Amino acid sequence: QSALTQPPSASGSPGQSVTISCTGTSSDVGGYNFVSWYQQHPGKAPKLMIYEVTKRPSGVPDRFSGSKSGNTASLTVSGLQAEDEADYYCSSYAGSNKFEVFGTGTKVTVL
Amino acid sequence: QITLKESGPTLVKPTQTLTLTCTFSGFSLSPGGVGVGWIRQPPGGALEWLALIFWNDDKRYRPSLKSRLTITKDSSKNQVVLTMTNMDPVDTATYYCAHRLDYEYFFGYWGQGTLVTVSS
Repeated sequence: QSALTQPPSASGSPGQSVTISCTGTSSDVGGYNFVSWYQQHPGKAPKLMIYEVTKRPSGVPDRFSGSKSGNTASLTVSGLQAEDEADYYCSSYAGSNKFEVFGTGTKVTVL
Repeated sequence: QITLKESGPTLVKPTQTLTLTCTFSGFSLSPGGVGVGWIRQPPGGALEWLALIFWNDDKRYRPSLKSRLTITKDSSKNQVVLTMTNMDPVDTATYYCAHRLDYEYFFGYWGQGTLVTVSS
């Protein structure tokens, strides 16, 4: 059950945009529209930011958006703010046997 | 308001069995439509999906750990229990429990997590 591949780090200045990729296979990311994204601040539990590729839970700013093309999903944070500095993890359904897999995680730094 | 809280030992010895309890409020595992899962995170590492149990007792396990994991529920106590046998230092991690609906593939509510260290 291999983890989904994310870049270790990404950064941007306040007000800029940053995009994080999440690469899987046709058996997970590419096969289902069940990709979600979580934000995790140091010492805290993960927080759901995006689900089903593009949907935002209530309370999540519309600066956060998700997309998918083929086997790669992406999270874009527009108008970066200091509080967006955190680790971000993607997750995808991977079929009835593997069920779900998480990504390797990306640390976003606001310069 | 949905809340979840993990409890269990902070230190276990190698080869021992770990038992963690997730106590929740704001929802019920009986009747249906709800699931509770366990996810862990080694220090400085990534999240790792472990197991999931649904209201109808349907259970799913991480394939690579299936032989070591057991997930059960006690709906009357609003608790879900995860046991992991033959603990090893590489199992040192923060263990989270989390809530989902049975037609969803994401966790909308998480507990605060509990750090378990495996060491002799």
